Amino acid sequence: AQTVTQSQPEMSVQEAETVTLSCTYDTSENNYYLFWYKQPPSRQMILVIRQEAYKQQNATENRFSVNFQKAAKSFSLKISDSQLGDTAMYFCAFHDYKLSFGAGTTVTVRA
Amino acid sequence: EAGVAQSPRYKIIEKRQSVAFWCNPISGHATLYWYQQILGQGPKLLIQFQNNGVVDDSQLPKDRFSAERLKGVDSTLKIQPAKLEDSAVYLCASSLVQGLEAEAFFGQGTRLTVV
Repeated sequence: AQTVTQSQPEMSVQEAETVTLSCTYDTSENNYYLFWYKQPPSRQMILVIRQEAYKQQNATENRFSVNFQKAAKSFSLKISDSQLGDTAMYFCAFHDYKLSFGAGTTVTVRA
Repeated sequence: EAGVAQSPRYKIIEKRQSVAFWCNPISGHATLYWYQQILGQGPKLLIQFQNNGVVDDSQLPKDRFSAERLKGVDSTLKIQPAKLEDSAVYLCASSLVQGLEAEAFFGQGTRLTVV
């Protein structure tokens, strides 16, 4: 069974600065996808970025990028130029045949 | 495009009562998920359907929880009887295909309080 671990319960960042969220996972599978989802306060969960395990190139979506280290089973999310709208809970997720989530990291962007 | 619809939004029941939640996924989405999210925690997968078949229900407490997806479209999740520890937000999500890359689209959830 796979597990997803997010070791940072809360992170705070000044507007326009950069914050990095960590995620590690454990699996014996070779074929899987990793995701970061965002859950703003009182709003629906939405996809931020995804990474295929077979791709060495790290995924990037505008201000969001990942650092995928397959051998270390590590998948961190970097938010650059943080904006107030980035305030949310961020979940790392692992998908082989089922979609499993970590415990989440609450990110607060300060004005 | 309409999103994932869930009802009710909020429900308060007494312990040992029963409750049911309804989910209507995005049209054409084959995969449907039910998650339990306890306050401050990550979503825990309860059951995953592919069309009307069950892909995984290993974390569904089958002595009290049941779920069905008739005709591979909308789905209901039932709890009978409820316990205090069932207080949580129940999230429904759907994805177009079962592929590993598929994005899951989430509903707004049903917040259950068991008193």
